[in-house]
Formats: sequence, structure tokens, C-alpha cells
Amino acid sequence: SFELTQPPSVSVSPGQTASITCSGDKLGAKYACWYQQKPGQSPVLVIYHNNKRPSGIPERFSGSNSGNTATLTISGTQAMDEADYYCQAWDSSNVVFGGGTKLTVL
Amino acid sequence: QVQLQESGPGLVKPSQTLSLTCTVSGGSISSDNYYWSWIRQHPGKGLEWIGYIYYSGSTYYTPSLKSRVTISVDTSKNQFSLKLTSVTAADTAVYYCARGQHLFDPWGQGTLVTVSS
Repeated sequence: SFELTQPPSVSVSPGQTASITCSGDKLGAKYACWYQQKPGQSPVLVIYHNNKRPSGIPERFSGSNSGNTATLTISGTQAMDEADYYCQAWDSSNVVFGGGTKLTVL
Repeated sequence: QVQLQESGPGLVKPSQTLSLTCTVSGGSISSDNYYWSWIRQHPGKGLEWIGYIYYSGSTYYTPSLKSRVTISVDTSKNQFSLKLTSVTAADTAVYYCARGQHLFDPWGQGTLVTVSS
């Protein structure tokens, strides 16, 4: 079955660029999206269709997807960006989430 | 702006049926060709997609839960519902409803369902 793999944790200093990867077989041939989830809150879509930002999502969030890896990039990371991030794609109508990455801003 | 709100019992006994309802406000559940999904999150864990429904009643479920899951829609009430039968402690989770088929936006606030006697 199709699986998505993310690193459990990523750390970044404020103002620097954070990159979170998501790996899956031929993921670049599918659409990937990313969700941000802060403690006690529901997930929020931050990137869809590999690199599109929903209305209201800051420009510092961007995405790419090629080969077997999708990447969420946060430029000029702020303390408010500290959260869990989940990648997601679908395969044969089945929706698959990655295991999540905890982004720490320190 | 569409908003979703889950409702239902927070405690279910083992072997019984979990039943939740998602009420959609700020838009019609039968408009704009949207699908509507259920997703759950086990305590401290990641997200697990359960399935989706179209306003016409067409459904698709994740294979691992397919034998126990039913998602239905009531367009007159602008609601869709989840039933999960024969629950065990492994079904304890926060259950979210969300708009979408292959990507999800927005999400409801989520409701914790605990399976315990």
C-alpha cells in the first residue's frame, strides 16, 4: 500500500528557512498537500496541489514535489509556525497522510 | 465562509456503535460539487482518513475500516454522519469532519470519542 514518510522532528532558528520532507513511491506523479496543526487545534491546509497556497496562508509557506519527495518550505520562520505538519496525497482514491513532523522554532 | 461542527457521544462502550454527526453552516452541503469526509486522530498520533461522501450519497471508505463504517448524508439538515460498528479501545480518537475528497479544507474542531466500559 502507498505510504508517506516524514521525519519525526525538524528544528529551525527564528528567521531561518525550515524544510520538511515527505517521501513516497513516485510521489512526484501525484498531488501533495500539507497541513499545519497546533496543539489542541484542528489541522489547517497550508499547501495544496504541490505548491498552491490557500487564501490567508502567508507567502513564507511554499511547496514543491518531484521524484519521490515533496517538500514544505517555510522561509523566515516565526515562532508562531511551531506546530506539527502533515503531508497528504491520494492513490487510487485512497487518502494517505504522512506520520507528521514536529517543527520546533528555537 | 463554510464551517463544520461535529456532535455526538463522547463515550461509547466496547462492541457498540459510534455515531457522529457533522453540521455544515455557511453553505449548502449539496452545492459546488464538494465531497465531505471523516478523519480521525488517535491520541498523540497522526491523522487517519476514514472515508468521504458526496451529497448524492456516493461513498468511499478506507479499506482498513470499510467493513465497519457507514457515512450518510441528510441534505435537508445540511448534515452528514459517521457510524462505526463493533468499536474497541483502538477506536478511541478525536474525530474530525472536513470538506473535501482528496484534500481537506476546512475542518471541524474535532470531537474526542473514548471507547470504554
